[in-house]
Amino acid sequence: EDQVTQSPEALRLQEGESSSLNCSYTVSGLRGLFWYRQDPGKGPEFLFTLYSAGEEKEKERLKATLTKKESFLHITAPKPEDSATYLCAFPSGGSNYKLTFGKGTLLTVNP
Amino acid sequence: AAGVIQSPRHLIKEKRETATLKCYPIPRHDTVYWYQQGPGQDPQFLISFYEKMQSDKGSIPDRFSAQQFSDYHSELNMSSLELGDSALYFCASSPTGTDTQYFGPGTRLTVL
Repeated sequence: EDQVTQSPEALRLQEGESSSLNCSYTVSGLRGLFWYRQDPGKGPEFLFTLYSAGEEKEKERLKATLTKKESFLHITAPKPEDSATYLCAFPSGGSNYKLTFGKGTLLTVNP
Repeated sequence: AAGVIQSPRHLIKEKRETATLKCYPIPRHDTVYWYQQGPGQDPQFLISFYEKMQSDKGSIPDRFSAQQFSDYHSELNMSSLELGDSALYFCASSPTGTDTQYFGPGTRLTVL
């Protein structure tokens, strides 16, 4: 069965303190690994899609990487506005439509 | 840039009532998806439509139905509402040839 596990569940950083979030997956035939950011009560905001091991993508202070078993979201010198829940997701059940999400990592960046 | 539009943004209903949620995808997006997110939970896939045809179905209760119209907007109809239906309902859309789903702001449904 396709599964995804995110860790840690919650992470508290000081402004400027870099760190990484983990998304471990067990998926037969991965057809993309997606990262989203979600603020409380709002819709998930698309960040990145990764398709193959070794692929990396960057956007401002965020960089996503992918291996055959996990993906990392690296946050460099975070700011308080980076505080949010970060979700990883993948198409599951043989479908190109259904995204299965991890439980997310709640990131809090203190000034 | 245009985003997915959902209406209403907030909805309060009594048990056993019906509710209709609407979704207007980003222009030129032909695929629409519906997700349900309970408090403290991750989004759960309900159903999707491609070119007005149902393309996939998830854990959607039989009390719920949905369709996509000729202008590509979609409606999620929910009947015999239960307390457990209280959640955020998100619509997402994607254009032909890509699998990236862009989410709307959601409709918060409260069932009393």
